[in-house]
Amino acid sequence: EIVLTQSPGTLSLSPGERATLSCRASQSVSNNYLAWYQQKPGQAPRPLIYGASSRATGIPDRFSGSGSGTDFTLTISRLEPEDFAVYYCQQYGSSKTFGQGTKVEIK
Amino acid sequence: EVQLVESGGGLVQPGGSLRLSCAASGYSFASRWMDWVRQAPGKGLEWVANIKEDGSKTNYVDSVKGRFTISRDNARNSLYLQMNSLRVEDTAVYYCVRETWYFDLWGRGTLVTVSS
Repeated sequence: EIVLTQSPGTLSLSPGERATLSCRASQSVSNNYLAWYQQKPGQAPRPLIYGASSRATGIPDRFSGSGSGTDFTLTISRLEPEDFAVYYCQQYGSSKTFGQGTKVEIK
Repeated sequence: EVQLVESGGGLVQPGGSLRLSCAASGYSFASRWMDWVRQAPGKGLEWVANIKEDGSKTNYVDSVKGRFTISRDNARNSLYLQMNSLRVEDTAVYYCVRETWYFDLWGRGTLVTVSS
């Protein structure tokens, strides 16, 4: 099983700042089959990024994904008030596993 | 409207059974793998099971193998999860999810509580 480790656990930032979230895999993710999701309290997760760097439908371009192999990054270029949430990475190259999540909170 | 709507959650005693349903609409249900993903209260996401478009292949996370069964009825655009021998640690919100390699469409979830 591929274990995904996200860091940091919590990120405290102000609106307008840049957020950088990390996801590290215990082994290489085949075909860079790595996705990112956003989840707000009481809501279902929302897909943001798939294939490590492709934005899902309707996702604004302030969200970007990068990385390959075992190291992946989600970047939010300028935080909007609605971006404060929990973010999960997920690999779907070998079965399916999620990271434990990173909470982006208002500083 | 493209959507997934879960039902069937509730309170059940340890060792009991429950059957979750998911109604799909607005797209060609029979053309996509479907999954169940769960989230324990205050915890992260855990993939539970998936099923191929025609129902011929299924996969499960180790912790539910032999207890849970995923199935589908393409004529009814419906997905199911039969959960037997339920444990306290199965308590979670269960999401019905459409798979396009990644999880591109989620339902709102249904809460399953296993408690005596």
